[in-house]
Amino acid sequence: AQSVSQHNHHVILSEAASLELGCNYSYGGTVNLFWYVQYPGQHLQLLLKYFSGDPLVKGIKGFEAEFIKSKFSFNLRKPSVQWSDTAEYFCAVNANAGNNRKLIWGLGTSLAVNP
Amino acid sequence: GAVVSQHPSWVICKSGTSVKIECRSLDFQATTMFWYRQFPKQSLMLMATSNEGSKATYEQGVEKDKFLINHASLTLSTLTVTSAHPEDSSFYICSARKRLAGISHEQYFGPGTRLTVT
Repeated sequence: AQSVSQHNHHVILSEAASLELGCNYSYGGTVNLFWYVQYPGQHLQLLLKYFSGDPLVKGIKGFEAEFIKSKFSFNLRKPSVQWSDTAEYFCAVNANAGNNRKLIWGLGTSLAVNP
Repeated sequence: GAVVSQHPSWVICKSGTSVKIECRSLDFQATTMFWYRQFPKQSLMLMATSNEGSKATYEQGVEKDKFLINHASLTLSTLTVTSAHPEDSSFYICSARKRLAGISHEQYFGPGTRLTVT
């Protein structure tokens, strides 16, 4: 069965620290990869996505992620976090097969950035 | 843009009653809508996938007679929680995929509906 694992459940950083959140998936075929963010009290928003092409994807608010096919990974990075980045981060994978092509979600990572 | 709205944003109901939640794609047509449930500090749990004009596909363990889904048009899907019980209290989120999504399959999320059953 397809699955997505996020290794860090809770991360606490100080402002200006660098961030890397791990995401691994289990599916051998073609995938679409997503990172979503949920700020406190707000709905899910797309941070970035990968479908094909350059494996280094740049998203909003200075975030980027790198797709490494050989490692089945799609880690999220930001060189310098801000207090406003405090949120829940979800990695999701859409296996490019089947009719509905539902998203498979990781359990999420709670990021707290101290000012 | 791709805006998805949900109504109501929060609802309190008594045990045994039914509650309907609406999900609308405001500026695009959505052939597929998804209903999720989110528990506090946890990930999203997909409940069902709804395609316009056909029956919803429910995930394993989700009671289709309890969570009725209707996707009558390309911009509206509804979730009805029938005979609600306190354990149904949760945050319900819908998402929609554009009709001409192509290979992207990107989903756009609504703001969620907080259901509290007393």
